[in-house]
Amino acid sequence: GDSVTQMEGPVTLSEEAFLTINCTYTATGYPSLFWYVQYPGEGLQLLLKATKADDKGSNKGFEATYRKETTSFHLEKGSVQVSDSAVYFCALKTSYDKVIFGPGTSLSVIP
Amino acid sequence: DVKVTQSSRYLVKRTGEKVFLECVQDMDHENMFWYRQDPGLGLRLIYFSYDVKMKEKGDIPEGYSVSREKKERFSLILESASTNQTSMYLCASSLVVWGQDPGNTIYFGEGSWLTVV
Repeated sequence: GDSVTQMEGPVTLSEEAFLTINCTYTATGYPSLFWYVQYPGEGLQLLLKATKADDKGSNKGFEATYRKETTSFHLEKGSVQVSDSAVYFCALKTSYDKVIFGPGTSLSVIP
Repeated sequence: DVKVTQSSRYLVKRTGEKVFLECVQDMDHENMFWYRQDPGLGLRLIYFSYDVKMKEKGDIPEGYSVSREKKERFSLILESASTNQTSMYLCASSLVVWGQDPGNTIYFGEGSWLTVV
């Protein structure tokens, strides 16, 4: 069945460091891919998405490119801030409205 | 902005109690979902609903039921709460797009922390 794998962390970085959170997926058909972010004590918010191969989603300095050949959707940011500390979820959705989430990656950014 | 509101943020219930978790969305979305979130397991789908009075089981429906009497409201019911149902519960909603566009966004509420003692 469809699934999402991502590094679980926790990941701890210093402010202004480069961030990569790996995400790979298994899916039949042509899924859309998402990154959601969950700040402490809150629900999930959509961070970015890509709906077809080679699309790049971007938001708030974060980027991820839909790579069909490697079935990946890695999240990157060039310079993280303390305010980026959160849990990040990679997810996929096929043509039905069922969304499959990865286990989440906890990120802590220290000053 | 889409708003998904979960009425209770924090609840403590006793084993065997019947528990209701309420969720309301204000954007006339057809689809509504209930997930539970546990450390290391991510989000797991309990139930979802495509329309009023319609429901479908998700991946972990055992021990839960749902009710959707009005389009904007989707309730999760724990018939007899157990300690293994202690978790964070997240409600979500999305618009149905003809052809089921996989890119349409799902919007989440802030979550309900349930502790069963």
